[in-house]
This record gives sequence, C-alpha cells and structure tokens, in this order.
Amino acid sequence: DGGITQSPKYLFRKEGQNVTLSCEQNLNHDAMYWYRQDPGQGLRLIYYSQIVNDFQKGDIAEGYSVSREKKESFPLTVTSAQKNPTAFYLCATAGFAPLPSQPQHFGDGTRLSIL
Amino acid sequence: GQNIDQPTEMTATEGAIVQINCTYQTSGFNGLFWYQQHAGEAPTFLSYNVLDGLEEKGRFSSFLSRSKGYSYLLLKELQMKDSASYLCALRRNYGQNFVFGPGTRLSVLP
Repeated sequence: DGGITQSPKYLFRKEGQNVTLSCEQNLNHDAMYWYRQDPGQGLRLIYYSQIVNDFQKGDIAEGYSVSREKKESFPLTVTSAQKNPTAFYLCATAGFAPLPSQPQHFGDGTRLSIL
Repeated sequence: GQNIDQPTEMTATEGAIVQINCTYQTSGFNGLFWYQQHAGEAPTFLSYNVLDGLEEKGRFSSFLSRSKGYSYLLLKELQMKDSASYLCALRRNYGQNFVFGPGTRLSVLP
C-alpha cells in the first residue's frame, strides 16, 4: 500500500528537549517537505529536499533540523531552540518537476505539544 | 515574492455553487494547485492548473488566469461534507517547492 507514514501521531516535548518526527514514504518520490501549521493558519515551509543528501531551508527553518540519508526518509528534529513548537507538522512528497502536474501528497501529520 | 491571498471564511447552502478565489503576486511558477483540508486532517489534492483556463473534475473545477494573477475553485452541488478549508498553492519554477495561501474555511449549511 503506497503512501506516506508519519509518526508519532501525537508528541509531547519537555522544556529543553529535542524531539524527532519521522516521515517515511514508499511512493518513490524525489522531493520531500516539512510544513508547520498553526490553528486556523495555512502551511509554512520548514525544510525541503529534492534529492538524497541535500536539503534547503524553507521560510521558518530556525530551531529545526533535518537529514536525508535515504530517499524514503526525511526526519525532522525540533530542537530546544524552537521556543514555540506547539503545532501540527505535516510531511509531504512530490514527484520531481519539470512535470508541472506533480501535486504534493501528505502524511497524516504529527501534533506536537509542550508539556 | 509570491504573496497569496484567499478569503478567510465563506458560507454557502447545501446544493448551491460556491467560488473560492485565490490571488497572487509572483515572478514565476509552473503550476497552481488546490487542496481540501478537513479539520485536524492532512490536505488532499483536488485540482491543478498549468495553463490558463478551466479544468473540470466532477463537482470541482479550477480556473487560472496568469495575466490577472488569479485563480478560483468552483464547487457545485455542495454537500455537507464539503465543509472544510481550501488551500491554493503555487509550485515555484526555481527550487520546486510549494507556497501555500492562508486557506479559506468553507461552511456548508443545510
């Protein structure tokens, strides 16, 4: 069954702690993305990766880090430097353009809260 | 820049037709996409436009005018389950990433 798996579904972070959100895909998509969504808001891009071992900062990368060691995996670490981490985190993938019709596919999301 | 604007909220009646607008300022993009997002869930892909004009997919249609910096999503024969947020997004020419609008929260009333 092809798709994107995010885990955990819910995550709680203590003060000063780093936490890692998992994103795995078996769609064979080259590009992977991490977004943050706050209540009633749109999606804001944290990091994205178009190819293994390469990634770029999005609009709100401060306090976050990523790695792309395998095509299938793009974990996001929320570091203690991110002072307001409470949000809904979405991982997405897309086939590589220049085929412009490649939409993004999303995982089910991880909801992160501060303890 | 690629500022994208959408109305914050809209209300419509079951069985009616509603048009959700999306305006943008951008230096270039290779596709405009529409997504539906129910509360607490991930967005799901609805429709996309590359060229100007109307794309129809069942009860949903999307329109693009690049010269006017404008797109809309048209929902026909509204159903209660269409109550959701609708997001428009551009895929950048350079970098290949997507930029999302703030979303429009649609409420369908009986």
